[in-house]
Amino acid sequence: EVRVVESGGGLVQPGRSLRLSCAASGFTFDDYAMHWVRRAPGKGLKWVSGISWSSGNIGYADSVKGRFTISRDNAKNSLYLQMNSLRPEDTAFYYCVKSSRADIRGQFDYWGQGALVTVSS
Amino acid sequence: QSALTQPASVSGSRGQSITITCTGTINDIGSYNLVSWYQQHPDKAPKLIIYEDSKWPSGVSNRFSGSKSGNTASLTISGLQAEDEADYYCCSYAGSNTWVFGGGTKLTVL
Repeated sequence: EVRVVESGGGLVQPGRSLRLSCAASGFTFDDYAMHWVRRAPGKGLKWVSGISWSSGNIGYADSVKGRFTISRDNAKNSLYLQMNSLRPEDTAFYYCVKSSRADIRGQFDYWGQGALVTVSS
Repeated sequence: QSALTQPASVSGSRGQSITITCTGTINDIGSYNLVSWYQQHPDKAPKLIIYEDSKWPSGVSNRFSGSKSGNTASLTISGLQAEDEADYYCCSYAGSNTWVFGGGTKLTVL
């Protein structure tokens, strides 16, 4: 069974940093690209960042470019999102998402349950 | 990276059909056959229901169908059932390793 489980969410002050992790199981992790998608309270889904199987291709939404860094450790079947200079508007559930392909153009076929990040003083 | 445009809400009676549109630009929907649709029930993770404009993932009912014309994609749900009541999102590859979602549509089944 494919599973992706997020961890590392919590309450953080504006301007501080937080690192999300995603543990993957039930599939060959290094065969697939991975993504982070978020949903702010009362808002819709927003793609945040994606990384190809080899980390050779990476993309970011304009709203997080320069502040967030996506990475993966294929030996540990894990995906990460380093979030710096956090803003109140970054408050959201962050979903770890498996791609259907090795490159970033694959669809989002398996989703985690989400980790809540709250940015507030 | 502007969001794709979806109606905020649609409604239909049980057994009827509804269509949700998703309008983008030549830079996203119009350039790639990579539109997908996601269903999200309250407090649940999103679920992929259509990919590559009109394909069904394994296990998804064929009551859901996708189509595309130019810069606009559409999701049609036929034979509406109570469990179809949810939020629906379109999503398109937008080039340069980026993706863009629609604002979401709340479906109410009457």
